[in-house]
Amino acid sequence: DTGVSQDPRHKITKRGQNVTFRCDPISEHNRLYWYRQTLGQGPEFLTYFQNEAQLEKSRLLSDRFSAERPKGSFSTLEIQRTEQGDSAMYLCASSQDRGGTYGYTFGSGTRLTVV
Amino acid sequence: QKEVEQNSGPLSVPEGAIASLNCTYSDRVSQSFFWYRQYSGKSPELIMSIYSNGDKEDGRFTAQLNKASQYVSLLIRDSQPSDSATYLCAVNRGGTALIFGKGTTLSVSS
Repeated sequence: DTGVSQDPRHKITKRGQNVTFRCDPISEHNRLYWYRQTLGQGPEFLTYFQNEAQLEKSRLLSDRFSAERPKGSFSTLEIQRTEQGDSAMYLCASSQDRGGTYGYTFGSGTRLTVV
Repeated sequence: QKEVEQNSGPLSVPEGAIASLNCTYSDRVSQSFFWYRQYSGKSPELIMSIYSNGDKEDGRFTAQLNKASQYVSLLIRDSQPSDSATYLCAVNRGGTALIFGKGTTLSVSS
């Protein structure tokens, strides 16, 4: 297993377009998390899944954002009608335990630029 | 008050010195505490975790936790230029996602 994989690494899109990112977690990890990070800030929590169930969503996750994790494997994060304020690094992480006791393993991230 | 607070720095130390990074958190029910290192343009990498009051040592790194004061710290002994990065403090309140601070930028000069 090569860790958490995210695709694409970089995405440039025009304002108003839809984008979708993919995350493949470490295979034995049942929890998957999405975070957003902007310059000079720490990662901000967006949402997380335990297996296929989406258990929590941050108020940062507006109606334009949707995340799925079909069959409890990979996950996708879609942003509709992108805005310049969506420009950020989108980080995916996974963990094995039930309560975050052992920390997360992060993927390399997808850097989104909205022009 | 933010949930997890860190001094953004930069913290500058000479090579070989001890770097001390601090973090405070607001929620007393927090249970698990983590330090991540993030190099510029890269994703965070877990370097230390601590769950009980006291010190936990791993190589050149020592994490310290004081739940009464709601304070977590990371000491880096014999600092190296390769330690230059942003250090993120993260807190778990139990069963939910990690909450991160803004991070402290460390610069180690040779």
